[in-house]
Amino acid sequence: DTEVTQTPKHLVMGMTNKKSLKCEQHMGHRAMYWYKQKAKKPPELMFVYSYEKLSINESVPSRFSPECPNSSLLNLHLHALQPEDSALYLCASGAGPLSAEQYFGPGTRLTVT
Amino acid sequence: GENVEQHPSTLSVQEGDSAVIKCTYSDSASNYFPWYKQELGKRPQLIIDIRSNVGEKKDQRIAVTLNKTAKHFSLHITETQPEDSAVYFCAASTPNSGNTPLVFGKGTRLSVIA
Repeated sequence: DTEVTQTPKHLVMGMTNKKSLKCEQHMGHRAMYWYKQKAKKPPELMFVYSYEKLSINESVPSRFSPECPNSSLLNLHLHALQPEDSALYLCASGAGPLSAEQYFGPGTRLTVT
Repeated sequence: GENVEQHPSTLSVQEGDSAVIKCTYSDSASNYFPWYKQELGKRPQLIIDIRSNVGEKKDQRIAVTLNKTAKHFSLHITETQPEDSAVYFCAASTPNSGNTPLVFGKGTRLSVIA
């Protein structure tokens, strides 16, 4: 399996809702990433997990809460989001410290109403 | 931190012509330079990459060149086809505790006109 999968594909949520985005990879990769991408912009790094430990948090607001239950799964818990948080949320995985290649999942298109 | 500049922001070419996209980076410690292609509504897809110990790499119609001294790298697409139309992002990676986060350029929208 050479793919990174993400669910759901689309999500519409109100500002008071709590929802979660899920990401899964079965390539044995030890680094997993969350990115946010606005229209016509490059992906913007949010979080990095390395060997299931959070190693980078790019000053992301606390309404975004990442979780890495095991080496294959990565979640992003969402609570009290703002309309400006509407974007494509991309998960990526990479082999880890000795390999820089990152492979992206298809993304979750999030709309906050 | 690392800063990656990408030019041009848009590029239109006739089918069959070549396309060149250029990027510069600021951190001389960066050692990995991938290129991603993103079609509308789809994920960024890694199409080619180069490491700092190599000057050029080719894969069929796509090639990447790296000039470490000048800190710039370029993507070359020959014999362009309509399906090459997409947004292309360059990126640079600087070792940081082994997590190698990517810093992206702002992207180039390539249109191949049939």
